Amino acid sequence: GNSVTQMEGPVTLSEEAFLTINCTYTATGYPSLFWYVQYPGEGLQLLLKATKADDKGSNKGFEATYRKETTSFHLEKGSVQVSDSAVYFCALSGGAAGNKLTFGGGTRVLVKP
Amino acid sequence: SQTIHQWPATLVQPVGSPLSLECTVEGTSNPNLYWYRQAAGRGLQLLFYSVGIGQISSEVPQNLSASRPQDRQFILSSKKLLLSDSGFYLCAWVAGGGETQYFGPGTRLLVL
Repeated sequence: GNSVTQMEGPVTLSEEAFLTINCTYTATGYPSLFWYVQYPGEGLQLLLKATKADDKGSNKGFEATYRKETTSFHLEKGSVQVSDSAVYFCALSGGAAGNKLTFGGGTRVLVKP
Repeated sequence: SQTIHQWPATLVQPVGSPLSLECTVEGTSNPNLYWYRQAAGRGLQLLFYSVGIGQISSEVPQNLSASRPQDRQFILSSKKLLLSDSGFYLCAWVAGGGETQYFGPGTRLLVL
């Protein structure tokens, strides 16, 4: 079945540092890939997505490229802010699972001033 | 534009009491609807999903149930809560034919 593996946190960074959160997946068919962000006490917000190989999703300075050859969708941001402190979830949908989402375990990011 | 509501926002219930959480979506028709649970510090677990009125699929056997009495209303219920039911419950929707899920603000449930 489908699965998503992402790096465990917490990841602690200083403001303006470079952030990378690794995400790899296993899926049948051709899934779409997503990054969601969860701020403390809130629901999940869609951060970005990519629907086919080599697509790059981007939003709020975050980027992720759909790499079919390495089955990866790593999230990056060049200069983080304190307001980026949150839990980040990688997810996939489609393929054999229809539009049900399969989530990774989440990565907590803490940005210190 | 579409919006999704959940209530209550927080709930404290004794063990053995019943539960009813409600999720409603505005601005769309015939969405797919989902219930997830997030235990403290953990990832998301899909509990139920629905592709239409009265159609419920259960992902995990448990003492919870779901119902969809109207097109844009999704209810999560239990007859008798367990301590292990504590968590953050999230509802999500997908437009018919779409694949991007949009989440509600969540309900935080504490069972004592």
